[in-house]
Amino acid sequence: TQLLEQSPQFLSIQEGENLTVYCNSSSVFSSLQWYRQEPGEGPVLLVTVVTGGEVKKLKRLTFQFGDARKDSSLHITAAQPGDTGLYLCAAGSNYQLIWGAGTKLIIKP
Amino acid sequence: DTGVSQDPRHKITKRGQNVTFRCDPISEHNRLYWYRQTLGQGPEFLTYFQNEAQLEKSRLLSDRFSAERPKGSFSTLEIQRTEQGDSAMYLCASSFGQTANSYNSPLHFGNGTRLTVT
Repeated sequence: TQLLEQSPQFLSIQEGENLTVYCNSSSVFSSLQWYRQEPGEGPVLLVTVVTGGEVKKLKRLTFQFGDARKDSSLHITAAQPGDTGLYLCAAGSNYQLIWGAGTKLIIKP
Repeated sequence: DTGVSQDPRHKITKRGQNVTFRCDPISEHNRLYWYRQTLGQGPEFLTYFQNEAQLEKSRLLSDRFSAERPKGSFSTLEIQRTEQGDSAMYLCASSFGQTANSYNSPLHFGNGTRLTVT
């Protein structure tokens, strides 16, 4: 069974701090997606990473795909209250995406 | 592009009743997915359509659940004889894919239907 494990499950930090969340698997994936979900809404795609070792930046968010394409990280610099949400990673398998359980991030003003 | 819309946003029903949810995907998208999500968890795959064909259904899905996409556009998800364990957020997503590995195409989600079974 392919699993995506996300850590930490929950993170609460002060505005302005940096943080990193992780998405790990024992399986190799051809690509991996990161989504952010706010309460009462569906997930919204942030980025797709495809190549091992790839780094993508989205303003203060930096995404990295592991060299072996088994894991990924999301680093947020100078976190802001607007970054609060559930961060989900998902990777392709057969006709569907395998989803992690998410990291719930709270940024306190 | 008005995005993926789901109706209703909230549904409260008594145990044993049937419920039906509707999803209108992005019009150019040929693939449509139904997911279920409980608090603090990621989306759980339920079923998947390419155009009007239902190509995959989760083994975890009981016979009480059925989904249709009759004309390859909107889709409905019906739950018969609801149970309290069915209480969850039901999410619909759509994407466009032509090749076998285009399951990696980004999913566009609706805002879900929150079902509460009392």
